Amino acid sequence: ETGVTQTPRHLVMGMTNKKSLKCEQHLGHNAMYWYKQSAKKPLELMFVYNFKEQTENNSVPSRFSPECPNSSHLFLHLHTLQPEDSALYLCASSQGLVRQDTQYFGPGTRLTVL
Amino acid sequence: DQQVKQNSPSLSVQEGRISILNCDYTNSMFDYFLWYKKYPAEGPTFLISISSIKDKNEDGRFTVFLNKSAKHLSLHIVPSQPGDSAVYFCAASVSRGSNYKLTFGKGTLLTVNP
Repeated sequence: ETGVTQTPRHLVMGMTNKKSLKCEQHLGHNAMYWYKQSAKKPLELMFVYNFKEQTENNSVPSRFSPECPNSSHLFLHLHTLQPEDSALYLCASSQGLVRQDTQYFGPGTRLTVL
Repeated sequence: DQQVKQNSPSLSVQEGRISILNCDYTNSMFDYFLWYKKYPAEGPTFLISISSIKDKNEDGRFTVFLNKSAKHLSLHIVPSQPGDSAVYFCAASVSRGSNYKLTFGKGTLLTVNP
C-alpha cells in the first residue's frame, strides 16, 4: 500500500449505529487530519493530530470521536449520527504542521446516515 | 460566510487550448494559496502553490497568478489535455497561528474535450 488509504470506502448506517472510519498513511508523516465534504459545500477541517496529539478540534459535535493511536493510523468513531452528517469524509497527512508541508489525501469514505 | 469562492462550478475547454480557473477570497490575512485537483473516487492531490510575496508561480503546464489587490487568483493550464479533466479546488491559509489550516473553495469541474 502506498500513500493514504481509507476504509471502508462506502458506509451506510442508521442513526443508532456505532461505526468507525479508518485511515492509514504509508508516507512516514507525523500529522494527520480529518476533513468533511458535504454536498455543495467546501472541504471542512474537523480534527488535526500531530505526533498522536490532537492539536485541532474545529467545533465538531461529540458524536464524532477521533482516535490516533500512532502517527500512521487515524480513526473516526461515529455514534448516534444524524442524516445531515452524510458526507464524504477525507483523511489527510503531512510531514508536519508547517503550511508548506503538503497535505496528502486519501480517497475518502462516502457515509450515508439513514 | 465563504472566505474562498470559486464562482464557476464548471468549465469546458477544447484540448490544446488554455484553461483558466478562477478563485476569489475575502480574508485579507490569507497569504498562502494552493490548488488541488481531484479525480472521481480519489482524494484531492496537490497541484501548485503560491505565497503572497509572489504574483506568479509556474510548474510545467500549470501557472498560478495572484492579484492581491483584487483578492483574486487564477490557475492557467496550457495546453489543456483530456487527462486534466477533474475538479479543481482553490485553498488558502494564513501564516500566523495554525497556518496548516486550509480554507477551501467549493471547486470547479474542468472538462477538457478531445
